[in-house]
Amino acid sequence: QKEVEQNSGPLSVPEGAIASLNCTYSDRGSQSFFWYRQYSGKSPELIMSIYSNGDKEDGRFTAQLNKASQYVSLLIRDSQPSDSATYLCAVNSVDSSYKLIFGSGTRLLVRP
Amino acid sequence: EAGVVQSPRYKIIEKKQPVAFWCNPISGHNTLYWYLQNLGQGPELLIRYENEEAVDDSQLPKDRFSAERLKGVDSTLKIQPAELGDSAVYLCASSGDDRAGYNEQFFGPGTRLTVL
Repeated sequence: QKEVEQNSGPLSVPEGAIASLNCTYSDRGSQSFFWYRQYSGKSPELIMSIYSNGDKEDGRFTAQLNKASQYVSLLIRDSQPSDSATYLCAVNSVDSSYKLIFGSGTRLLVRP
Repeated sequence: EAGVVQSPRYKIIEKKQPVAFWCNPISGHNTLYWYLQNLGQGPELLIRYENEEAVDDSQLPKDRFSAERLKGVDSTLKIQPAELGDSAVYLCASSGDDRAGYNEQFFGPGTRLTVL
């Protein structure tokens, strides 16, 4: 079983819709959770971090964390074609807060 | 604030040749990471430095890979000799003083290595 699981997609949504990206993790002791956006041919860009159960909002992005169920999600409101990218979920390893375990990413396609 | 700088951006070499990648982290960031990313996968940690010290190199294939971070700023990752399977993107990341334990890591643009 992979430590961080994401649906590879592609997730296709129309422009203006809400895109919902999900991630599950296996290490119950993980404390830090991150979402990175990666455009094709580019490097990962940190867009959200969350450490406590509940929701964290930043502009059009909302990260949701449920440690009991071991999942973290990212909602993108009013999706734009420029949001089309691969979204990587990263979770810290229980062995070290500095070691991040990445999922393989979900490809999001926002249709104009 | 300048981001993480890496060079070269692209490198094409023949197998068995040596290759080196260079990274300059965000100013003031003491922790530096080298990751490898294969197509369709997330980054995988190769080595982590705290200042000059390599504190986690368990994923680094030490028979052919080496790294150094002299003076605790710039870092170099070397492969010698390169194999076909080393073709990937090599990413450098850094993180700053993290007393809260959050460890937000910021990536450089990466070096895309092609081994022929």
